[in-house]
Amino acid sequence: QQQVKQSPQSLIVQKGGISIINCAYENTAFDYFPWYQQFPGKGPALLIAIRPDVSEKKEGRFTISFNKSAKQFSLHIMDSQPGDSATYFCAASISSGSARQLTFGSGTQLTVLP
Amino acid sequence: DAMVIQNPRYQVTQFGKPVTLSCSQTLNHNVMYWYQQKSSQAPKLLFHYYDKDFNNEADTPDNFQSRRPNTSFCFLDIRSPGLGDAAMYLCATSRDGSRGAVEQFFGPGTRLTVL
Repeated sequence: QQQVKQSPQSLIVQKGGISIINCAYENTAFDYFPWYQQFPGKGPALLIAIRPDVSEKKEGRFTISFNKSAKQFSLHIMDSQPGDSATYFCAASISSGSARQLTFGSGTQLTVLP
Repeated sequence: DAMVIQNPRYQVTQFGKPVTLSCSQTLNHNVMYWYQQKSSQAPKLLFHYYDKDFNNEADTPDNFQSRRPNTSFCFLDIRSPGLGDAAMYLCATSRDGSRGAVEQFFGPGTRLTVL
């Protein structure tokens, strides 16, 4: 129930194209869904996040679409750029006392070709 | 800039030789987390502190210990590193999450190599 399933494992997109990464979860108690971007040798950095009472959130070229009834959410990267090449992790968060438990998806390695 | 700092960035140790990784933060966050991330895998939570209150994940091996002497610093001790402990170790912090969702801020990580 704590799993977050992410697909695809890897994605190759031409510059200017749209990158789409999908995630699904089971536990309806998750209440916060962040996406992290990680470059090789670096720690994950928060890219964008959404709460389950919102169906879409857009920040610049990055959009999260959230389908609560289907328990699915996705990241869309518009006008993909070579600098977007990185590993992307979706995650789902739940309260754990005064901390937050983050369950990560397995990651998607995005390559944007110039 | 407020941030999460990890030292060293790269650590090489020998099989069975204890090693300590450090994390410091200038965010004044109550909660500090340690994650293990193996190659091409997602980060896996080892444990976290809420202030001085230590919380161990059920499947974290006894080989891994942690100390938090004050709000700013947290240490990860690996008592007898095995080859399987080679990984990136990530420190993260967050505010008190008891009243709702809060962001976790990650440090750059320490890459541990076990020879």
